[in-house]
Amino acid sequence: GDSVTQMEGPVTLSEEAFLTINCTYTATGYPSLFWYVQYPGEGLQLLLKATKADDKGSNKGFEATYRKETTSFHLEKGSVQVSDSAVYFCALTHSGGSNYKLTFGKGTLLTVNP
Amino acid sequence: GAGVSQSPSNKVTEKGKDVELRCDPISGHTALYWYRQSLGQGLEFLIYFQGNSAPDKSGLPSDRFSAERTGGSVSTLTIQRTQQEDSAVYLCASSPGQGKYNEQFFGPGTRLTVL
Repeated sequence: GDSVTQMEGPVTLSEEAFLTINCTYTATGYPSLFWYVQYPGEGLQLLLKATKADDKGSNKGFEATYRKETTSFHLEKGSVQVSDSAVYFCALTHSGGSNYKLTFGKGTLLTVNP
Repeated sequence: GAGVSQSPSNKVTEKGKDVELRCDPISGHTALYWYRQSLGQGLEFLIYFQGNSAPDKSGLPSDRFSAERTGGSVSTLTIQRTQQEDSAVYLCASSPGQGKYNEQFFGPGTRLTVL
């Protein structure tokens, strides 16, 4: 079955540091890939997505590129802020039909210190 | 407009009791999903509704778990004879419907604690 593996946390960075959170997946066919973010005390929010190979998703300074050859979707940000402190989840779903259930990685807790 | 709402926000129950968790999706969203977030298992899919029918129940962990959706809107997740391993945050998400991918909008979750 489908699975997502993402780098174990927690990750602690200083403000303005470079962020990478690794994510790899196992899936049949051509899944769509996502990063979700969960800020403290809030619900899950979609951060960015990519629906086909070589697509780059971007939002709020975060980027991730769909690499089919390495089955990866690593999240990057050039300069993190304290407000980026949250749990980040990599996820996938299959296109087609109407059931877009998400398969998630276990999440990575990011703490950014001033 | 209003987002996905869930109630209660917190529920503490004793082992063996039944609980009902409610989800109010965004108005007009035909697809509804339940997920469970626990320390040991991460975020797991439980069940998917399209309208009032549930074509995918593959994530329900046991027959103690059931869910229904009425009027193409509100959904209730019921856990019978709760066990301590049922303690988790139960998340509901809705999305606009069929065809091309539609973003899932998540509710704040219900934190269930089974003593």
